[in-house]
Amino acid sequence: KNQVEQSPQSLIILEGKNCTLQCNYTVSPFSNLRWYKQDTGRGPVSLTIMTFSENTKSNGRYTATLDADTKQSSLHITASQLSDSASYICVVRGGWMDSSYKLIFGSGTRLLVRP
Amino acid sequence: SAVISQKPSRDICQRGTSLTIQCQVDSQVTMMFWYRQQPGQSLTLIATANQGSEATYESGFVIDKFPISRPNLTFSTLTVSNMSPEDSSIYLCSFTPGTGLTEQYFGPGTRLTVT
Repeated sequence: KNQVEQSPQSLIILEGKNCTLQCNYTVSPFSNLRWYKQDTGRGPVSLTIMTFSENTKSNGRYTATLDADTKQSSLHITASQLSDSASYICVVRGGWMDSSYKLIFGSGTRLLVRP
Repeated sequence: SAVISQKPSRDICQRGTSLTIQCQVDSQVTMMFWYRQQPGQSLTLIATANQGSEATYESGFVIDKFPISRPNLTFSTLTVSNMSPEDSSIYLCSFTPGTGLTEQYFGPGTRLTVT
């Protein structure tokens, strides 16, 4: 069964600290993996998209890694800011044989950054 | 980046009634999607709305309960029919400009509460 699992479920850190969010998936065949940020009351906004050939991709203070062999990804947030408080969702898109346009969503990690 | 908007942003409805949610994109797109996000949960795809053909519904969702219209390439509606408290959720529309490694954009969501 195609699944995306994220950990931790929630996380509280102090402003200025770094943190790493984890994502494990069992989707096969694999097309790409995305990290989204969802602020409360808003729709998700894309942070990164990676294919199986990409190991690392950065977007400002956000750095995503992908290990397609172990089917694991992480999102590292550097020097956290209060505005980083949000849910972070790992999303995997299956390959062409798996209903091409479907995205499989993780349940998200709720991050709270405290002053 | 493309702009996608939804109306209403939120509503409180009585059980047994129906609500139609509108989604407008500022450019022509082929594929539009409707998602549901229940409290504390991640996104679940309801259906794919294609212009010129009937929507394709995911397992667990039926046209009688969630009729969808797609009259042109920039607009779609989702109706939540004969509502019950279990329909209380955030409903999001989404689109992708193409296939493969392309961005998927989400609307701000419609927060529905059924009393």
